[in-house]
Amino acid sequence: DTAVSQTPKYLVTQMGNDKSIKCEQNLGHDTMYWYKQDSKKFLKIMFSYNNKELIINETVPNRFSPKSPDKAHLNLHINSLELGDSAVYFCASSGGPRPFFGPGTRLTVL
Amino acid sequence: QKEVEQNSGPLSVPEGAIASLNCTYSDRGSQSFFWYRQYSGKSPELIMSIYSNGDKEDGRFTAQLNKASQYVSLLIRDSQPSDSATYLCAVAYGQNFVFGPGTRLSVLP
Repeated sequence: DTAVSQTPKYLVTQMGNDKSIKCEQNLGHDTMYWYKQDSKKFLKIMFSYNNKELIINETVPNRFSPKSPDKAHLNLHINSLELGDSAVYFCASSGGPRPFFGPGTRLTVL
Repeated sequence: QKEVEQNSGPLSVPEGAIASLNCTYSDRGSQSFFWYRQYSGKSPELIMSIYSNGDKEDGRFTAQLNKASQYVSLLIRDSQPSDSATYLCAVAYGQNFVFGPGTRLSVLP
């Protein structure tokens, strides 16, 4: 009965690899987000989708590509991983004024 | 550039005291304001939302909003060690939510 779920919870990989993080929400929300939280705990929006359409695309390297197959899912694919990509990535969804967050995926690039 | 500012802390208060957390924002057009709490290793969880000037109380928490001064605060009364966490201020700009850097609160027993 988890509202917003993400997989995997932890991801450890080598520089240069390609990886994906999956997100699903069962709240019936129309809007989904990807946020990145760095080591200083700063939570920054990366992307937002509304009903499968991209509505926010902050200044993010084009190695990051979101995909929304339907409004309940928003996946994040990262190409050619770099050390600076190490962070916690949170998926969130919103059906009204504020987002609900998933548990996060801790990505470590070695 | 829409910005949200907070003191990073840490803010240390003794158990039972009032903890006061502050936040300022740059865009006068903002209408919705939120406080999230984030325990170490966990995701942010919403604790308060406020939309109009004045105070809003929920249990031990009071959110205060002053749109003229572009200022939002969170008061935690009778602070408990379990309140020790990072508190994130968030401001809604349309469908975008901009978060402040968070204030780390430590409640000392």
